[in-house]
Amino acid sequence: ETGVTQSPTHLIKTRGQQVTLRCSSQSGHNTVSWYQQALGQGPQFIFQYYREEENGRGNFPPRFSGLQFPNYSSELNVNALELDDSALYLCASSLSGGAQETQYFGPGTRLLVL
Amino acid sequence: GQQVMQIPQYQHVQEGEDFTTYCNSSTTLSNIQWYKQRPGGHPVFLIQLVKSGEVKKQKRLTFQFGEAKKNSSLHITATQTTDVGTYFCAGMEYGNKLVFGAGTILRVKS
Repeated sequence: ETGVTQSPTHLIKTRGQQVTLRCSSQSGHNTVSWYQQALGQGPQFIFQYYREEENGRGNFPPRFSGLQFPNYSSELNVNALELDDSALYLCASSLSGGAQETQYFGPGTRLLVL
Repeated sequence: GQQVMQIPQYQHVQEGEDFTTYCNSSTTLSNIQWYKQRPGGHPVFLIQLVKSGEVKKQKRLTFQFGEAKKNSSLHITATQTTDVGTYFCAGMEYGNKLVFGAGTILRVKS
């Protein structure tokens, strides 16, 4: 196991609601990246947080937002949920977010939007 | 933006046969990483390649990074049922954004 934990494991929401997903990074890691993995696809980069600041963002709308806390754990918030937001949400921690850093993935949160 | 294409989408092999998946990027990469995801699981890091032309081996798995740092391959020799899963390549441009391919699903018949 990677030591990266995520909660909750599963979640069901309805369209228009808001959701908060949580991630605890591996001990000693100060960088957390979030990914969305739709069924049958590869993970898509949402954004990365390094030392509590956003450090890069993928092609996701502003209703996807995040936070990183002083202990380097992180939250992903999604407002105004849409049906297409149904996916596995993965967080990955790394030592410092550098281009050659290995990212260690957590088990993911499976979100279903009805 | 950067795109990473991976082929084949799906491969079903007899146990003991070899398997190869190929990855191509639209841009030059600083490194390429390979992950394996078991059904219902999460991606697990396998390896990272950084140097042009680099070849790395892990038991029956051989990873290559192209000379131009735009393509890569993963070859499994003599597949076993434990090799079942989806294999993803993920390319890193000169930044911090990891772009994943769509993955190759490997099924092994025993």
